[in-house]
Amino acid sequence: NAGVTQTPKFRILKIGQSMTLQCTQDMNHNYMYWYRQDPGMGLKLIYYSVGAGITDKGEVPNGYNVSRSTTEDFPLRLELAAPSQTSVYFCASSYGGIINQPQHFGDGTRLSIL
Amino acid sequence: ILNVEQSPQSLHVQEGDSTNFTCSFPSSNFYALHWYRWETAKSPEALFVMTLNGDEKKKGRISATLNTKEGYSYLYIKGSQPEDSATYLCAFYSNTGNQFYFGTGTSLTVIP
Repeated sequence: NAGVTQTPKFRILKIGQSMTLQCTQDMNHNYMYWYRQDPGMGLKLIYYSVGAGITDKGEVPNGYNVSRSTTEDFPLRLELAAPSQTSVYFCASSYGGIINQPQHFGDGTRLSIL
Repeated sequence: ILNVEQSPQSLHVQEGDSTNFTCSFPSSNFYALHWYRWETAKSPEALFVMTLNGDEKKKGRISATLNTKEGYSYLYIKGSQPEDSATYLCAFYSNTGNQFYFGTGTSLTVIP
């Protein structure tokens, strides 16, 4: 099993460009999450999804969009990249809700915006 | 926004020492607490999911306790080994607003 796969691993963007961070999982998990991690800070939840077609905002959603058309995929889109979005992005999934199920994380995407 | 505090921020211990660290969280609106282990250049890996006051969980030499009334959880490592070197994260789930808050982690280095 591949688990949670994120692509790309690294990317440099110019201010104002757009891109999509891909996340796919092969564990048939219904819950999926996007986090960002900035230096010296804990992981911050950007968006999450409880199933195909259902998404909701987390703690820091501004500047991002998500969609969930299938159980497996949960892409994160940056429409107008800004330097404040330079971060490491992690996708995670869980079988059922957080109350009693651990999250499985991808390896992260390191994004720099210059 | 809720505060999840972890202490100490970093820790260096000798191989064979036992150690523990703390995760503090708001005692109201508790739903669940997770512990994760995060090795450098890898992704976080789940250790424990804890939901009940008084919960104690164990996995090998690592164990955790939970006190929801006073808002803290302890993670213990018995007989630390170099392979235990990692950052240990806790994450608190509040039942208000369906939010999940991570602490900044405790970085453990075990010196051979």
